[in-house]
Amino acid sequence: DAKTTQPTSMDCAEGRAANLPCNHSTISGNEYVYWYRQIHSQGPQYIIHGLKNNETNEMASLIITEDRKSSTLILPHATLRDTAVYYCIVMLFNNAGNMLTFGGGTRLMVKP
Amino acid sequence: DAGITQSPRHKVTETGTPVTLRCHQTENHRYMYWYRQDPGHGLRLIHYSYGVKDTDKGEVSDGYSVSRSKTEDFLLTLESATSSQTSVYFCAISRTSQGGYTFGSGTRLTVV
Repeated sequence: DAKTTQPTSMDCAEGRAANLPCNHSTISGNEYVYWYRQIHSQGPQYIIHGLKNNETNEMASLIITEDRKSSTLILPHATLRDTAVYYCIVMLFNNAGNMLTFGGGTRLMVKP
Repeated sequence: DAGITQSPRHKVTETGTPVTLRCHQTENHRYMYWYRQDPGHGLRLIHYSYGVKDTDKGEVSDGYSVSRSKTEDFLLTLESATSSQTSVYFCAISRTSQGGYTFGSGTRLTVV
């Protein structure tokens, strides 16, 4: 059972905002939405996470719909170095630690 | 990434031999994880640890064992390597159950 659905690939022009959608229609009330990215052959990199409210950090913004069934990761000014596979993950916490389950992700290509 | 080191970075071994991969952290984080990444399967959790001597299985734990005798080291052992265990192995750490993971640079293991 895929908990999230993402487009397989997207293109974005350098300097423009990249908006990466994620559908998580079966998310439960205490599950968080996490975003990671993986640049070719490197380990995944944490970007941002949220529960209900929109979140922003130095890397990106996370917009979660009011019903929490979908979210959008926004890279405000994409650069060539943002070319990567972006993973949207929903996760339930427990005392034994959280266990990320990675799906297929979205391959973002930032073009000059 | 700073604070987490995987060794070796590359290894070629023969079928049937034991192999141990090491993950070392200097962050004093409680949680540590081992993932494998294969084409077509994405990242899959093998084992994780939520404290010294506290470990549990992930979704693809068959053929693997782990040990954590001190906070900074999490060892992954393939008791008798098989060709199906050829993969890239990533270690990750997390300070809390809510926090983002920091991943290592990976170990590329080839079993011939």
